[in-house]
Amino acid sequence: QITLKESGPTLVKPTQTLTLTCTFSGFSLSTSGVGVGWIRQPPGKALEWLALIYWDDDKRYSPSLKSRLTITKDTSKNQVVLTMTNMDPVDTATYYCAQNDFWSGRHFDYWGQGTLVTVSS
Amino acid sequence: DIVMTQTPLSSPVTLGQPASISCRSSQSLVHSDGNTYLSWLQQRPGQPPRLLIYKISNRFSGVPDRFSGSGAGTDFTLKISRVEAEDVGVYYCMQATQSWTFGQGTKVEIK
Repeated sequence: QITLKESGPTLVKPTQTLTLTCTFSGFSLSTSGVGVGWIRQPPGKALEWLALIYWDDDKRYSPSLKSRLTITKDTSKNQVVLTMTNMDPVDTATYYCAQNDFWSGRHFDYWGQGTLVTVSS
Repeated sequence: DIVMTQTPLSSPVTLGQPASISCRSSQSLVHSDGNTYLSWLQQRPGQPPRLLIYKISNRFSGVPDRFSGSGAGTDFTLKISRVEAEDVGVYYCMQATQSWTFGQGTKVEIK
């Protein structure tokens, strides 16, 4: 059974750095083709892809947010960490992590429940 | 960036009747490897997204066969053959040919 769970602060102040952790089970990030991505959803709005890291440490970032994002993995802990610098109220959203399968179609097949992050002073 | 445009944005349907959602990409989704990386996701109220269809027409594990996907190039369609109450939610198309981008979502509700 594949599960993913996001964790991190629920409230951050403007200009601060957000650090989110995705802890997963049921698969390994050392397996060829496996990746974990981050997607966010502002309240009442659509989904937006942020970043993704693959088993071979290949990292992909949204072009519009690339300068603010860093994604890393700890294979031994089954964790992926996303940092986003210089947070702004417009970054208020539910942040999801999801498993990605490069070989079968690059889609996000399993998702965490999401964590709501509010940016406010 | 590839822009994904869905129509309609809202779709009131009668239980047991079909529903159809269109998704158009700003450029062809055919990858250099020959695959077309277009998927559909469902998001029920208060829930995370759930994968329904990948690579245009492949149903993901556990997805009922009343859901089907079709299309090619830049135009794609998700069809629900007979809408059930549990199908209420927002549906997104997503392309993975060039990075990843989502459509703006289509809300399916019961009349």
